[in-house]
Amino acid sequence: DIQMTQSPSAMSASVGDRVTITCRASQGISNSLGWFQQKPGKVPERLIYAAATLESGVPSRFSGSGSGTEFTLTISSLQPEDFATYYCLQHNSYPYTFGQGTKLEIK
Amino acid sequence: EVQVVESGGGLVQPGRSLRLSCTASGFTFTTYTMSWFRQAPGKGLEWVGFIEDKGHGGATEYAASVKGRFIISRDDSKSTAYLQMNSLKTEDTALYYCTKGGHADYWGPGTLVTVSS
Repeated sequence: DIQMTQSPSAMSASVGDRVTITCRASQGISNSLGWFQQKPGKVPERLIYAAATLESGVPSRFSGSGSGTEFTLTISSLQPEDFATYYCLQHNSYPYTFGQGTKLEIK
Repeated sequence: EVQVVESGGGLVQPGRSLRLSCTASGFTFTTYTMSWFRQAPGKGLEWVGFIEDKGHGGATEYAASVKGRFIISRDDSKSTAYLQMNSLKTEDTALYYCTKGGHADYWGPGTLVTVSS
């Protein structure tokens, strides 16, 4: 199975900060990776697919990059509504696997 | 508008069975893989499995934790996917989500399954 190691597991940041979350795959997964945002008590929403393509309607302050084994999700200027937990998901091979999540708190 | 709605959750005893349904609208159901994910209380997300559309063979894949106990099927005439859960264990307690596509591009609100005696 491909293990996805996500870091950090939790962080706090201020409005306007630039935030970067990383996922590392235990083996190469090309660009078969999505990023998801889950707000407390809410359904997960996909922000980015194919590692770097923004879903329609997602603010442009979100961006994704990477290929192979290392991937990043960047929020260029943190907004209060970005308080959430973020997950990466690899779908290059079965079983599909998530990172353990990054809980982002607003300072 | 894309809609995916799960139903069928509830309280069930260990060892028993339960069938979840996922009814879809707003897209051409017959051409999409449908997936199931779950989230145990206070925990992260876990992939359960999927069923491909018939055009791609209709194959199914499962997580090791459910393989041999869970079965995913679909009825294209009803735009509905199913998750038949057998031999349920307490560790299957979770919010179960159905998603459009194999890569989870749209999620339903989820249905809660509690396995407890």
